[in-house]
Amino acid sequence: AQSVTQLDSQVPVFEEAPVELRCNYSSSVSVYLFWYVQYPNQGLQLLLKYLSGSTLVESINGFEAEFNKSQTSFHLRKPSVHISDTAEYFCAVSDPSTGANNLFFGTGTRLTVIP
Amino acid sequence: DVKVTQSSRYLVKRTGEKVFLECVQDMDHENMFWYRQDPGLGLRLIYFSYDVKMKEKGDIPEGYSVSREKKERFSLILESASTNQTSMYLCASSSGDRIGEQFFGPGTRLTVL
Repeated sequence: AQSVTQLDSQVPVFEEAPVELRCNYSSSVSVYLFWYVQYPNQGLQLLLKYLSGSTLVESINGFEAEFNKSQTSFHLRKPSVHISDTAEYFCAVSDPSTGANNLFFGTGTRLTVIP
Repeated sequence: DVKVTQSSRYLVKRTGEKVFLECVQDMDHENMFWYRQDPGLGLRLIYFSYDVKMKEKGDIPEGYSVSREKKERFSLILESASTNQTSMYLCASSSGDRIGEQFFGPGTRLTVL
């Protein structure tokens, strides 16, 4: 089974500073990769995804993630964070060979943006 | 606007009670999922369903069952609630042609005393 590691459980960062949230997955076979975000008191929502093609994917609110097959990583970055980015971020993976619709989630990283 | 709704935002039950958590989606999605979310453990899949009357066990099905009698509704049942089932329960749905894109409800925070 797939597994996802998010090494940082909490990341505090000052407003307008850059941030990187790390994600590594277990398998070297083809996978689909996702980042979900959970704002306070809300359900999870999809932030961005990698299925194939360009290894750099972007979200509408300035986040980007790069698929690195050799390092089995899918780190999430933003060059300048806003207060509104305060949320919990979950990395997830699915395995096309066993069920692309099923997601395996990491344990989450709580991003706190400090004014 | 797409929507997944869950019957209760907060629920308090006693040990041994039978608990029903309801989830309804209005997007005509084939796939539905139940997760529990615990601090430091992330989301863990309890059960999922790819079609009406179909169910599959996820990673932690023990102590739970599910029912899917209609396409839009997926119920999670705790036959005899225990204190270790105190958690946040999240329901999600997805369409088969949007790989990995799950739509989540707001969650039900269940406390078992």
